[in-house]
Amino acid sequence: DSGVTQTPKHLITATGQRVTLRCSPRSGDLSVYWYQQSLDQGLQFLIQYYNGEERAKGNILERFSAQQFPDLHSELNLSSLELGDSALYFCASSVELAGRGTGELFFGEGSRLTVL
Amino acid sequence: AQKVTQAQTEISVVEKEDVTLDCVYETRDTTYYLFWYKQPPSGELVFLIRRNSFDEQNEISGRYSWNFQKSTSSFNFTITASQVVDSAVYFCALIPNQAGTALIFGKGTTLSVSS
Repeated sequence: DSGVTQTPKHLITATGQRVTLRCSPRSGDLSVYWYQQSLDQGLQFLIQYYNGEERAKGNILERFSAQQFPDLHSELNLSSLELGDSALYFCASSVELAGRGTGELFFGEGSRLTVL
Repeated sequence: AQKVTQAQTEISVVEKEDVTLDCVYETRDTTYYLFWYKQPPSGELVFLIRRNSFDEQNEISGRYSWNFQKSTSSFNFTITASQVVDSAVYFCALIPNQAGTALIFGKGTTLSVSS
């Protein structure tokens, strides 16, 4: 058990809909990362938050957004869903050294999104 | 370009065989970090090792060993005397510069160990 909790584990929805994925990081970790894993794209970095503020952005679509709340949990919002958004979405949290990530990430079990 | 290539998509071995998973990376940065992660059938990725670009010493941890060679931009992972529990997808990853924090993953190698 990594200590990172993601909900829901599975989600099935229709095209055009909006969903919210939730992540609780490990106790004490200030950084939260979101990754998307799909068969064709592999593991793609979406976005990182550190102590409530956006720190880095990757290949995140404009239809997607995220935030990190004062209690450090994070939410990833996916809107106007398309078939191609079907994927496993991972949240990870990390140990920080002097305010920088070490790359040693603790991953949740992921939220599997199926768009029909 | 910043990139990680794992040319082996799938490898199948029989228990107790040794197996090496290849990883080749590309980056122009002189300071970078390399990683291996394991994704067992349960799904969550598990950190295995981190290596910085200035440390070319090979590392051994139990049945796992890693060979880092800057001359060939490779960071290979060997499992000695493989076991069924080693069956998983293994990802090599890169943080390409000192300021970056986001991992760039390779496509992964699926290792199947049969008894």
